[in-house]
Amino acid sequence: GEDVEQSLFLSVREGDSSVINCTYTDSSSTYLYWYKQEPGAGLQLLTYIFSNMDMKQDQRLTVLLNKKDKHLSLRIADTQTGDSAIYFCAESTPDDTDKLIFGTGTRLQVFP
Amino acid sequence: DTAVSQTPKYLVTQMGNDKSIKCEQNLGHDTMYWYKQDSKKFLKIMFSYNNKELIINETVPNRFSPKSPDKAHLNLHINSLELGDSAVYFCASSQDSGYNEQFFGPGTRLTVL
Repeated sequence: GEDVEQSLFLSVREGDSSVINCTYTDSSSTYLYWYKQEPGAGLQLLTYIFSNMDMKQDQRLTVLLNKKDKHLSLRIADTQTGDSAIYFCAESTPDDTDKLIFGTGTRLQVFP
Repeated sequence: DTAVSQTPKYLVTQMGNDKSIKCEQNLGHDTMYWYKQDSKKFLKIMFSYNNKELIINETVPNRFSPKSPDKAHLNLHINSLELGDSAVYFCASSQDSGYNEQFFGPGTRLTVL
């Protein structure tokens, strides 16, 4: 199947770290992605990781990939109120269609 | 200098009507997509076109017909609208590259009454 699962909600205090988790099903995905959707807007790519990597760091963002468990996580350090949004993980399919399968989305709420 | 634009932003219509949503990208990308996001925020691919050729056609009712007059435009026409078609429809585009960064439009909120 093509189910990419995420927990629906996460609430954190400003300044704390946030960890958003994702489990995917297609072990042959070449790339895995994290997209952010702010209220009333489309999705924007935050970061991506190639399947032969197990970690990628980009400023406040750290992506961890566990291929054995098909588990992807996004850690946001020093979470700010501007980070409040819905975060989607996505996996690419191994064919040539450039198709992305998006997760169910995690709504991150940051409170002061 | 909007990258991916959609019109209209909001569309309210009666059941049974036919409506179109337009999408344009000025990024020079080869591939364009239509997604549907339901009220629970689940996002599903509907169609994709690469250089005006249909590449992805998910299980979507044939009341939905995409049309790509050129590679910068991908329009979505919906016949005989139903209540369940109410959703936010997003257009996106990407360039053929190693990783697939998709650039999303702002969305069209369709409400069928």
